[in-house]
Amino acid sequence: KQEVTQIPAALSVPEGENLVLNCSFTDSAIYNLQWFRQDPGKGLTSLLLIQSSQREQTSGRLNASLDKSSGRSTLYIAASQPGDSATYLCAVRTSGSARQLTFGSGTQLTVLP
Amino acid sequence: DAGVIQSPRHEVTEMGQEVTLRCKPISGHDYLFWYRQTMMRGLELLIYFNNNVPIDDSGMPEDRFSAKMPNASFSTLKIQPSEPRDSAVYFCASSSTGGPYNEQFFGPGTRLTVL
Repeated sequence: KQEVTQIPAALSVPEGENLVLNCSFTDSAIYNLQWFRQDPGKGLTSLLLIQSSQREQTSGRLNASLDKSSGRSTLYIAASQPGDSATYLCAVRTSGSARQLTFGSGTQLTVLP
Repeated sequence: DAGVIQSPRHEVTEMGQEVTLRCKPISGHDYLFWYRQTMMRGLELLIYFNNNVPIDDSGMPEDRFSAKMPNASFSTLKIQPSEPRDSAVYFCASSSTGGPYNEQFFGPGTRLTVL
């Protein structure tokens, strides 16, 4: 059974810092991996999706990498801003499990002005 | 497109009452998912449908939970009778077979409180 772990559970940084959020998964046979952002009391917003054949994806100040063989992904946020404060969730779609996403528990990020 | 629509956004009910949550997927999407989010267990898949047919309901916690999708534009998740431990945020998501990478799009969620 696929398990997804995110470390750290919470992170607080001053504005302007570059930071890395980590995600690990136990079954490397994945179809793709998706990073989401969740604001308090709100739904999930998809940030980046990496197919299993890809090594990284970039969108603006965000860069997500994938090392499938080691079961790891990182989300890099450059020049963090207070508006980046949110919970970031990693989810994987395991090959053979059709459309199901398995989520990590998230990293709660606070960017201090 | 308006995205995935869920109603109600908030629901407060008393133990033992029936609760019905509603979801309208993105038009043209053929997959629909129901998730539950709690502090203790995070986000869990409850059930998903393909072309209105339930494919996997192994995540449904108990017989008190049931889900239906009578047509391509509407789904319900029903809890009867509700219990305090059912308090959570329930999300609906949809995706398209023809879409890039089968990306799932989430609704804003329904926050359920059972007293």
